[in-house]
Amino acid sequence: GEEVAQTPKHLVRGEGQKAKLYCAPIKGHSYVFWYQQVLKNEFKFLISFQNENVFDETGMPKERFSAKCLPNSPCSLEIQATKLEDSAVYFCASSRARVPGVFGPGTRLTVL
Amino acid sequence: RKEVEQDPGPFNVPEGATVAFNCTYSNSASQSFFWYRQDCRKEPKLLMSVYSSGNEDGRFTAQLNRASQYISLLIRDSKLSDSATYLCVVNDYKLSFGAGTTVTVRA
Repeated sequence: GEEVAQTPKHLVRGEGQKAKLYCAPIKGHSYVFWYQQVLKNEFKFLISFQNENVFDETGMPKERFSAKCLPNSPCSLEIQATKLEDSAVYFCASSRARVPGVFGPGTRLTVL
Repeated sequence: RKEVEQDPGPFNVPEGATVAFNCTYSNSASQSFFWYRQDCRKEPKLLMSVYSSGNEDGRFTAQLNRASQYISLLIRDSKLSDSATYLCVVNDYKLSFGAGTTVTVRA
């Protein structure tokens, strides 16, 4: 399709629980980006992929965050042992090249 | 220093007014520049790219000043529907976003 799909739309987790977010890029787009937007703050880059390979992971908090983009599967972003400060909207974007692409509607994660 | 800085606003303007705002960036090697629009915490949507010579898209004009490392967006004849947060985005291979400039157009 011509839209980036993100699931779930909302996710609520208790502190310490795991959270897993999914992103289905637009077919034919080889680049996928994950961003975190905390309320009232700017977008924080997390990680990007070129196909299934990590392109840039300089924004990832390595100790609890991990991400994958496997062939024929939605990309995923997983947070182990969530913390209160992980509460945010997580946006995924895809594109044909290393230029701004189309953003998905986001997943709102609330950690209680 | 943040990679991309914007005046947060808000800019409150009447319909029909012109509003303009800037964005500065710190990485002189940045490749390309964009303005995105975000409504009510929804996903950002590309408004326009910013070219070195400046460019227009209808009522919107974008400018780039590489020497001073800033880009600008000007909205002419503003409409109620222009009310949004405008995000400055700098492509240094990971897309660095500004915090956004909020524009509210009132009737």
